[in-house]
Amino acid sequence: AQSVTQLDSQVPVFEEAPVELRCNYSSSVSVYLFWYVQYPNQGLQLLLKYLSGSTLVKGINGFEAEFNKSQTSFHLRKPSVHISDTAEYFCAVSERSGGSYIPTFGRGTSLIVHP
Amino acid sequence: SAVISQKPSRDICQRGTSLTIQCQVDSQVTMMFWYRQQPGQSLTLIATANQGSEATYESGFVIDKFPISRPNLTFSTLTVSNMSPEDSSIYLCSALTEGGTEAFFGQGTRLTVV
Repeated sequence: AQSVTQLDSQVPVFEEAPVELRCNYSSSVSVYLFWYVQYPNQGLQLLLKYLSGSTLVKGINGFEAEFNKSQTSFHLRKPSVHISDTAEYFCAVSERSGGSYIPTFGRGTSLIVHP
Repeated sequence: SAVISQKPSRDICQRGTSLTIQCQVDSQVTMMFWYRQQPGQSLTLIATANQGSEATYESGFVIDKFPISRPNLTFSTLTVSNMSPEDSSIYLCSALTEGGTEAFFGQGTRLTVV
């Protein structure tokens, strides 16, 4: 079974400051890793994903994440945030074996960008 | 990729009634499933909708409470039956395309039971 831990339920930050949202996972097999964003009253939108290869992946809206296998982490970063980045961010993992790829989600981190 | 249309987007319902949520995908997908997102919490998988057969439910969810249909490869419904205020939540339809590795989501249905 797989699980995802997002250590911070809420991250307040000022506009143009850097931000890191933390995500750790556990699984007995190889995994795919994802970050989704949910804006108010909307569904989930994929920000980026790690399948294989380079451990640093870049996504939309200037976000990037780094896969660290030894620390079982997949932290999300952005060097300079905007007010429009205020949203809920979900880390997710799916297992490569079995072929189902149904993701398991963390509890979410609310990013609040202040002017 | 896939575009998922979900309706209604929101509803306010009386306790004891039922609501059916519809999910339409713009292309054939291999898997469709339903999540529940309770206020301030993560997404919890309710069930996988199987075409032409009974859905596969996760622990804690039963068919009598959450009947699901999937008559073809692009359409599914979730019914929330005999609702109580505890069912107030956002319900999300999701799908995986053939050979795809990431899930796509509908806009969600925000349900309030009074």
